[in-house]
Amino acid sequence: GAGVSQTPSNKVTEKGKYVELRCDPISGHTALYWYRQSLGQGPEFLIYFQGTGAADDSGLPNDRFFAVRPEGSVSTLKIQRTERGDSAVYLCASSRTGGTEAFFGQGTRLTVV
Amino acid sequence: ELKVEQNPLFLSMQEGKNYTIYCNYSTTSDRLYWYRQDPGKSLESLFVLLSNGAVKQEGRLMASLDTKARLSTLHITAAVHDLSATYFCAVEREYGNKLVFGAGTILRVKS
Repeated sequence: GAGVSQTPSNKVTEKGKYVELRCDPISGHTALYWYRQSLGQGPEFLIYFQGTGAADDSGLPNDRFFAVRPEGSVSTLKIQRTERGDSAVYLCASSRTGGTEAFFGQGTRLTVV
Repeated sequence: ELKVEQNPLFLSMQEGKNYTIYCNYSTTSDRLYWYRQDPGKSLESLFVLLSNGAVKQEGRLMASLDTKARLSTLHITAAVHDLSATYFCAVEREYGNKLVFGAGTILRVKS
């Protein structure tokens, strides 16, 4: 596709459930980033992939959060035992290589009830 | 720890007026970005500033970077309603690494 694609666009889940958020980066982009944006705030970094490996996962808030990118393209952000505080918009971005301009997807709005 | 501060956080402008949004950051960085976000939408890249003294202009928006002062400005000239959005600056902490965002400036241009 032409841009970064994220699915689903909206997700409502019950507290304690498991969710997966998907990101399809721009074709050929080797770097992929996940950010979380809470209402009224700027995006906060979660994790950065270069190829298949997580080059920096220092932004993951705790061990309930995990992300994979097994083939160096699509990435999945996984959240276990969701809490109401996890409610936010999860943004994915990709860039041609690390250090070049990143392009953001539309985000997945996660609501934990 | 890299911190990025924007001000003002909210700006209400009359059409045709000029104004400046400021972005201060706390540590040396490789590059600085400005993004625009419309309600319910994702981030649109406006400018990438790579070096001290860099100035870029697109339409009614002009961005500049002073790395010695750790300050970037986004200047709006003769504002129009279509510029209403939230504007974020973001600083790249290390080459190829994560962006640290400011809290954003909500801009409302009134007719």
